[in-house]
Amino acid sequence: QQQVKQSPQSLIVQKGGISIINCAYENTAFDYFPWYQQFPGKGPALLIAIRPDVSEKKEGRFTISFNKSAKQFSLHIMDSQPGDSATYFCAPRGGGKLIFGQGTELSVKP
Amino acid sequence: GAGVSQSPRYKVAKRGQDVALRCDPISGHVSLFWYQQALGQGPEFLTYFQNEAQLDKSGLPSDRFFAERPEGSVSTLKIQRTQQEDSAVYLCASSLVVGGTKTGELFFGEGSRLTVL
Repeated sequence: QQQVKQSPQSLIVQKGGISIINCAYENTAFDYFPWYQQFPGKGPALLIAIRPDVSEKKEGRFTISFNKSAKQFSLHIMDSQPGDSATYFCAPRGGGKLIFGQGTELSVKP
Repeated sequence: GAGVSQSPRYKVAKRGQDVALRCDPISGHVSLFWYQQALGQGPEFLTYFQNEAQLDKSGLPSDRFFAERPEGSVSTLKIQRTQQEDSAVYLCASSLVVGGTKTGELFFGEGSRLTVL
């Protein structure tokens, strides 16, 4: 997991605000860059993912920005809602397996 | 069922006991993964199967951990002589494809929470 560093560890955002979570990685062989969302007592679920030949991908309120040269990618949640309150993990893939970051606990206040 | 099913959902074991955790992947999924998630941490890779072949077991923390998938469907993670540090949620995930093109999406079960006393 030291290959992947997420920040911040926790984040509090007001409803309607923008949530931004960052992920830095070391392994240049990673070939797929997803973000997973996990609610308490549940397994992680894919939220959005990007391939390294694309710099940005948007799906509804969720956007991934990818900077290959800096070895970083970020998740932006626009118009954050209380239902978005969860733990978010970046989990780049290398060697066929996902390597998870430490997680960011997001709390969206109404 | 429609999703990945894991059992038992909760297991309490005394130190030194053996435990077996079961995973039923989504039907037709080729790849199956086991992860260990300690409280407040991200999931850590344990092992990976493609059909019945165990292709990567580099994450298994010791030889007390053993996983199998004999018919390429259901998988069992066995932990022998459990220790307190084995307490964690064990997550199973399956995927339709191996690495590859369109998606590497893993579908996770809800996990088996193991507590070793």
